Amino acid sequence: EVQLVQSGAEVKKPGESLKISCKGSGYSFTSYWIGWVRQMPGKGLEWMGIIYPGDSDTRYSPSFQGQVTISADKSISTAYLQWSSLKASDTAMYYCVRQGTRGGYYDSSGYYIDAFDIWGQGTMVTVSS
Amino acid sequence: DIQMTQSPSTLSASVGDRVTITCRASQSISSWLAWYQQKPGKAPKLLIYKASSLESGVPSRFSGSGSGTEFTLTISSLQPDDFATYYCQQHRTFGGGTKVEIK
Repeated sequence: EVQLVQSGAEVKKPGESLKISCKGSGYSFTSYWIGWVRQMPGKGLEWMGIIYPGDSDTRYSPSFQGQVTISADKSISTAYLQWSSLKASDTAMYYCVRQGTRGGYYDSSGYYIDAFDIWGQGTMVTVSS
Repeated sequence: DIQMTQSPSTLSASVGDRVTITCRASQSISSWLAWYQQKPGKAPKLLIYKASSLESGVPSRFSGSGSGTEFTLTISSLQPDDFATYYCQQHRTFGGGTKVEIK
């Protein structure tokens, strides 16, 4: 079964660092882009960034550039999302997603864009003093 | 950056109703678009890709259409399991969502 399994919920204080994980299984982890999507409480979905585990090529949404770091360890089929200094406004559910191959297209920068066909179960991050 | 606008933001409907949700892009980049369904407390699920292609396992009452800057998701006969929030996505940008509620 193709799946993404995320690490558990976190409760942190402002200013603390955090790294959450997403482990892929049931498919070739290095052959698909893995992205991260934020959902703040009661709000919609926001794309944060994406990484190609095969070569660690990474792209960030302008809204999240410099705010988070996306990485991957292909040897253990795991992608990561990390913060160096959390803020209360980082409180949200974070989903990792696999970008599938559903007949997508290449954007003006030459990056492939397609549907998010597999979603992790989500990691709830709560930042509160 | 591209902006995706969904309408309505909330929709009240009854079982058996035909429901249509619209998604408009701020610019025409591609005729490719995806639709997702999210139920409370759950991760979103892919329904439609490439504007009109049904994801495997998704009931045929769901359909998508459109091109350019205007796209629609239609549920031909609303079922109890369909009450959820629906999101469109293009160029990795999501629309704001449409919540389908029981009338």
